[in-house]
Amino acid sequence: EDQVTQSPEALRLQEGESSSLNCSYTVSGLRGLFWYRQDPGKGPEFLFTLYSAGEEKEKERLKATLTKKESFLHITAPKPEDSATYLCAVQASNTGKLIFGQGTTLQVKP
Amino acid sequence: ETGVTQSPTHLIKTRGQQVTLRCSSQSGHNTVSWYQQALGQGPQFIFQYYREEENGRGNFPPRFSGLQFPNYSSELNVNALELDDSALYLCASRNGGVGSTSPLHFGNGTRLTVT
Repeated sequence: EDQVTQSPEALRLQEGESSSLNCSYTVSGLRGLFWYRQDPGKGPEFLFTLYSAGEEKEKERLKATLTKKESFLHITAPKPEDSATYLCAVQASNTGKLIFGQGTTLQVKP
Repeated sequence: ETGVTQSPTHLIKTRGQQVTLRCSSQSGHNTVSWYQQALGQGPQFIFQYYREEENGRGNFPPRFSGLQFPNYSSELNVNALELDDSALYLCASRNGGVGSTSPLHFGNGTRLTVT
C-alpha cells in the first residue's frame, strides 16, 4: 500500500537554527514527490517537485532532496516567516492522485 | 492569472443534510481534484475529474459525488452528512491529463462543520 510518513510532527527552531524535515515513502512506481507549505486557514502552496533519486531543488532558504525511500526538506537559517506546516506527497504511476503525509508543523522563534 | 477559488469559505450543516461546494479552477487548467483535510492531518484524495468525467477515486463512499463543467469549474456534493464529514475541503487544479505530474494548485478550501 502506498504510504507517506513525515517526521517530526512538530519542530521548534530559533531564528537562524538550520534543520531538516523528513518524508519517508513507499509507493509502487514513483511519478513525482511534491513538497507543499500550508499556512493556518489556507490551502497548500506548491514548493517543489522531485522526480528521481539524487535530484535536488532549492528555493531561497529551502532545499529539497530525494532518495529511493525518503526526501528531506532542509531549512537553512530559518526566519519567523518560515513558520508553517510542511506537507510531503507522492504521486504513483498512472494516477493523478497525491498521497500526503500528515505534515510537519514548523515554528521559528525570533 | 487567477488562482483556484472556492465557495463558500465556511459552512455549518446538520447531520443528514446535503451540501454542495464550488470551485473555479486556475485559468488554463483542465483537471480538477478534491481533497478532504481533517484537523491536524494531511489532505486525503476524494476524486479527480478530467474532461468532465471522473477518473480516479479515493476511499470515499458514493454519497460523495462531483461534477466538472465545460469551463472546468467543479462541484463537490455530499449527501446524508455525518459528523465525521466535518473537515476542510480543498479543490485543486492542474494542467494535463490523468497521469500529469504538473503541480497541483490548491484553493483555500471550504471549512465544513456538521452538527
